[in-house]
Amino acid sequence: AQSVTQPDIHITVSEGASLELRCNYSYGATPYLFWYVQSPGQGLQLLLKYFSGDTLVQGIKGFEAEFKRSQSSFNLRKPSVHWSDAAEYFCAVIDAGNMLTFGGGTRLMVKP
Amino acid sequence: NAGVTQTPKFQVLKTGQSMTLQCAQDMNHEYMSWYRQDPGMGLRLIHYSVGAGITDQGEVPNGYNVSRSTTEDFPLRLLSAAPSQTSVYFCASSPRDSPLHFGNGTRLTVT
Repeated sequence: AQSVTQPDIHITVSEGASLELRCNYSYGATPYLFWYVQSPGQGLQLLLKYFSGDTLVQGIKGFEAEFKRSQSSFNLRKPSVHWSDAAEYFCAVIDAGNMLTFGGGTRLMVKP
Repeated sequence: NAGVTQTPKFQVLKTGQSMTLQCAQDMNHEYMSWYRQDPGMGLRLIHYSVGAGITDQGEVPNGYNVSRSTTEDFPLRLLSAAPSQTSVYFCASSPRDSPLHFGNGTRLTVT
């Protein structure tokens, strides 16, 4: 069975600083990987996805993620964080039945 | 285009009561699913459906029932609510092999 681990429960960065959120997955086949963002009281919004091809994928809001098969990782990055990026971020992997398995989430706080 | 609509947004139940969380999508998506979100545990799959008339269990199905009589609707039923079912519930839909679209959630409290 697939699993997703997000090692960091909370991360605090200063506005304008760079950001990297870690995600490790366990899946037997080639994974389909996703990052979602959840603002307080809201549903989940898709940031980006990796299905195949270029291992560096660009998403919305200036985010990108890099798929590294050798490390079973799909880390999310942003060069310069804005205060509006404060939210909870979820990494997920999809199985053959099109069902997502989520990581536990990383809550991002942004200092002014 | 309404997307995925969940009702109600908030609900308080007493232990032993029953209720149905509604989910409707207007995008003609094949796949629909229910997740519950608990602090530190991410989202866990309760039940899912790959098409009308077809449902299956996810990771945490106990205490919940679903049905999929139409493509648009995928209600989640709690037959006898328990405090352990206090959570935020998300419905999602997608076409085959595509990212999920989520509703805005239902916050359920069982006292």
